[in-house]
Amino acid sequence: AQTVTQSQPEMSVQEAETVTLSCTYDTSESDYYLFWYKQPPSRQMILVIRQEAYKQQNATENRFSVNFQKAAKSFSLKISDSQLGDAAMYFCASEEAGTYKYIFGTGTRLKVLA
Amino acid sequence: EAQVTQNPRYLITVTGKKLTVTCSQNMNHEYMSWYRQDPGLGLRQIYYSMNVEVTDKGDVPEGYKVSRKEKRNFPLILESPSPNQTSLYFCATAIPTSGTNEQFFGPGTRLTVL
Repeated sequence: AQTVTQSQPEMSVQEAETVTLSCTYDTSESDYYLFWYKQPPSRQMILVIRQEAYKQQNATENRFSVNFQKAAKSFSLKISDSQLGDAAMYFCASEEAGTYKYIFGTGTRLKVLA
Repeated sequence: EAQVTQNPRYLITVTGKKLTVTCSQNMNHEYMSWYRQDPGLGLRQIYYSMNVEVTDKGDVPEGYKVSRKEKRNFPLILESPSPNQTSLYFCATAIPTSGTNEQFFGPGTRLTVL
């Protein structure tokens, strides 16, 4: 069965600094997708970044990048030049390709300090 | 504007009183899903549907029913709500053939069962 673990309930970062949110997962499948979602106080779920397991290159979206370590089953999110608007709950999620059964982690609340 | 809508956004009800939370999308997506979000537990999938008249259980289906009679709508039905179903509920959609597996989320429904 798929599992996703986020071991950091809460993190803080100074504005303009860099922060890394951790996520580990487990799956028996070789083809799967990994996601990071952001949930600001508005509660809207926003896709931040996604990674296909078969791609070795780490995904990047502007200030957001991932460190995908397939053998270690690790999928961390790095936020560079943190901004006040980055303050939110961040969820890591996985989906075994073709199943459309998504498993979410418990979330990491990120605080950005001015 | 492409969107997923949920109604109502907020609902307070009493134990045992049947209720329906509606979800509608205008993006012609085949896939739709329901999640519940609880503190410390992240998002958990309740039911999902790959297309009209096709529904499958997620991880926490007990106490819920769904139907998919038409592509754009995917209502969540609580026949006899109980206090442990107090939660934040999200509907999500996706295009299974898109290759991105990205889900688009509705704004959420906050349900309180007294």
